[in-house]
Amino acid sequence: GESVGLHLPTLSVQEGDNSIINCAYSNSASDYFIWYKQESGKGPQFIIDIRSNMDKRQGQRVTVLLNKTVKHLSLQIAATQPGDSAVYFCAENQSGTSYGKLTFGQGTILTVHP
Amino acid sequence: GAVVSQHPSRVICKSGTSVKIECRSLDFQATTMFWYRQFPKKSLMLMATSNEGSKATYEQGVEKDKFLINHASLTLSTLTVTSAHPEDSSFYICSAPRGVNTNTEAFFGQGTRLTVV
Repeated sequence: GESVGLHLPTLSVQEGDNSIINCAYSNSASDYFIWYKQESGKGPQFIIDIRSNMDKRQGQRVTVLLNKTVKHLSLQIAATQPGDSAVYFCAENQSGTSYGKLTFGQGTILTVHP
Repeated sequence: GAVVSQHPSRVICKSGTSVKIECRSLDFQATTMFWYRQFPKKSLMLMATSNEGSKATYEQGVEKDKFLINHASLTLSTLTVTSAHPEDSSFYICSAPRGVNTNTEAFFGQGTRLTVV
């Protein structure tokens, strides 16, 4: 399943499917990007990050892709599980600003059906 | 385990009263912390940057007299919502960056659900 963050803020997939969550950013000065997972009533939890000198980074079951040309970021989750159900946010840090000062994207609600 | 602790996790207060929210870095020092606000089904919006030993830096549109920030030590920042009104009801989240330069990661607290009645 695939979502476009600004137009389709919800994504429903079946357990075991791969999920793709997209994010468009607007600030070309941003050089550090992070994906967070937020469960209901909790703070954001770090998933994976990527710097602007890279276009791909892999973690455990997750991959982040960065396309600086079109200012697009995606999060791929392999073999999605019910525990992956949450809201996913991309966040960016602008070069020259304080490390940790983040601008968050709209967010995508991921629902995984057993 | 959590590296940033936020307290309380939930608070209900009456209109006109003030509420203080604490954000603590547990095993590292943070000269800078950040406060965000989140409405239901919305994204996090940065409110202000809390600076240890100096005044906080507020984002455009955030009332500094309404949202008082104090960063009196290297491990504690507080956000006080003064003369709270129902429209101040929201989820407030703090973060603290740990690390140096490009090896910095932002850790978030658990959030505080404020309900003003």
